[in-house]
Amino acid sequence: EAGVAQSPRYKIIEKRQSVAFWCNPISGHATLYWYQQILGQGPKLLIQFQNNGVVDDSQLPKDRFSAERLKGVDSTLKIQPAKLEDSAVYLCASSLDRGSDTQYFGPGTRLTVL
Amino acid sequence: TQLLEQSPQFLSIQEGENLTVYCNSSSVFSSLQWYRQEPGEGPVLLVTVVTGGEVKKLKRLTFQFGDARKDSSLHITAAQPGDTGLYLCAGAEEYGNKLVFGAGTILRVKS
Repeated sequence: EAGVAQSPRYKIIEKRQSVAFWCNPISGHATLYWYQQILGQGPKLLIQFQNNGVVDDSQLPKDRFSAERLKGVDSTLKIQPAKLEDSAVYLCASSLDRGSDTQYFGPGTRLTVL
Repeated sequence: TQLLEQSPQFLSIQEGENLTVYCNSSSVFSSLQWYRQEPGEGPVLLVTVVTGGEVKKLKRLTFQFGDARKDSSLHITAAQPGDTGLYLCAGAEEYGNKLVFGAGTILRVKS
């Protein structure tokens, strides 16, 4: 079974530029999560989708971050404009549904903002 | 906001030694999970504990959930270099599977 796919794996941009990350969850998984992991910290949930609807985006900085999952499968996370403090690994995870206790994580996208 | 504190932050030991990592909170969680993360990869789930006082064993790893479901520990017996990695605990807040992660413990096992 294929795991969670993410691209790109690495991205370097200058502050005030825009960037987008892509995630393809495990086939059949209804729930998709985006996490931000800053160096030396654990992952922090940014947004959670159930199919194509948002379940929780309470920790998403909505003035600069946006995410969508239009067809309930793939998802994109965008940052516009980026700040230095956005440098982090952005992890995508999926689970069978909201009640499932197992989240499967992708390898992440390492973002460096200069 | 529920917080999970992990200790120690960093642990460097020799192959064959035993170690314990702790995860503590003032909040009650419906379940608690332990993950292992290697450089350049996402976290991989090791175990989920649900019942207060529960003990689960995974080969040389023993996981315990506190009676009050506020804390947990991970004990590794006879550590191997392959155990090297970042160990994360995560508490599930409620139905909906929202996880709150600790900052992690970096384990280095030297041969």
